[in-house]
Amino acid sequence: DAEITQSPRHKITETGRQVTLACHQTWNHNNMFWYRQDLGHGLRLIHYSYGVQDTNKGEVSDGYSVSRSNTEDLPLTLESAASSQTSVYFCASSESSGGATDTQYFGPGTRLTVL
Amino acid sequence: KQEVTQIPAALSVPEGENLVLNCSFTDSAIYNLQWFRQDPGKGLTSLLLIQSSQREQTSGRLNASLDKSSGRSTLYIAASQPGDSATYLCAVKKENYGGATNKLIFGTGTLLAVQP
Repeated sequence: DAEITQSPRHKITETGRQVTLACHQTWNHNNMFWYRQDLGHGLRLIHYSYGVQDTNKGEVSDGYSVSRSNTEDLPLTLESAASSQTSVYFCASSESSGGATDTQYFGPGTRLTVL
Repeated sequence: KQEVTQIPAALSVPEGENLVLNCSFTDSAIYNLQWFRQDPGKGLTSLLLIQSSQREQTSGRLNASLDKSSGRSTLYIAASQPGDSATYLCAVKKENYGGATNKLIFGTGTLLAVQP
């Protein structure tokens, strides 16, 4: 069955370190998204991609970057981790370009703690 | 700027009760609205999707309604069960120049506990 996976599931790091969170989907979806979820804020969009070599900034992109070299993967990099980036990170993918019925499929999340 | 609000933030009900979760949004220019379920430590699972031209969608014991003009949606859960305990989030897909974007805007969720 097609799926979307994230690794690691839990990560503890120190302030200032570079961290990369992996996201891999086997749906062959063109669209991929990264969100962070914080208490009181719901899910907020960090970056998204509509295809290989395409990346776009979302609502809370400062301090994060992504690159899309193939259809299956969209890694999220924290260039210099800050305590404010302690959060749960979700990756999602969807098939079409803004169709009325397409939905996003979510990974299980990565819990990141920055000390 | 589109804002999505969910009330209540938390709800506890006895098993068997019918319940309603509320979602409101500030900009009626939406393409669709979705309800998701999130179990602790897990990702989100889509429950129901209502297109902007639709009034409601049903799946089993779940019924979601949409009133675009008033900026409201409700998720009705009939005969609640302990297995329904989870966080329920609504999300709207923005309309952009007559089409749609791919971006979802989420509410903060309602944490539901169904007591056996």
